[in-house]
Amino acid sequence: AQKVTQAQTEISVVEKEDVTLDCVYETRDTTYYLFWYKQPPSGELVFLIRRNSFDEQNEISGRYSWNFQKSTSSFNFTITASQVVDSAVYFCALSGSARQLTFGSGTQLTVLP
Amino acid sequence: KAGVTQTPRYLIKTRGQQVTLSCSPISGHRSVSWYQQTPGQGLQFLFEYFSETQRNKGNFPGRFSGRQFSNSRSEMNVSTLELGDSALYLCASSSLTGGRDTEAFFGQGTRLTVV
Repeated sequence: AQKVTQAQTEISVVEKEDVTLDCVYETRDTTYYLFWYKQPPSGELVFLIRRNSFDEQNEISGRYSWNFQKSTSSFNFTITASQVVDSAVYFCALSGSARQLTFGSGTQLTVLP
Repeated sequence: KAGVTQTPRYLIKTRGQQVTLSCSPISGHRSVSWYQQTPGQGLQFLFEYFSETQRNKGNFPGRFSGRQFSNSRSEMNVSTLELGDSALYLCASSSLTGGRDTEAFFGQGTRLTVV
């Protein structure tokens, strides 16, 4: 069985602050993928990143960065210098041998001007 | 390249009725998955189709069914609707690269309300 835990239900920050969204996962698969998706009020899930379980290299894309630590089964997401447009629900997800995404419960991020 | 298209965007149905939702994947994508999103249960996997075959199914009752056509378009059907079926239904498509599925790209969803 797979499980993804996003302990932070809601986070509120002021614009330009840095914010980290936590994600912890459980799986028995040795090969798996980890994802982050953003869901704005329109409802569509916007793909942000996919990480292979064999690739623990951290990644940076503009103001976004991801820290994958297999030893602690964590895949955290940091937004640097947050902006109001970053306000959304962010989901961490896991895909293993079952070819289905198991999602966390999501973190509602609100960036205040 | 057009994204994943789901129709209709909004739907209101009465308990006991049935409903069909449609999903057109990104051109070239042969895998289509369906997810149900509710405030209480979050995002849950319904089923996945590849080349017209159901490859995987989530833990939902038999009232939930789906199919995929030769052009990769997919439909899902819910029969005998219950109030608890009210949800956002999301469709995602992905392709195969090197024998592995790529990341899933989602449509905007169909908001179903059962009254």
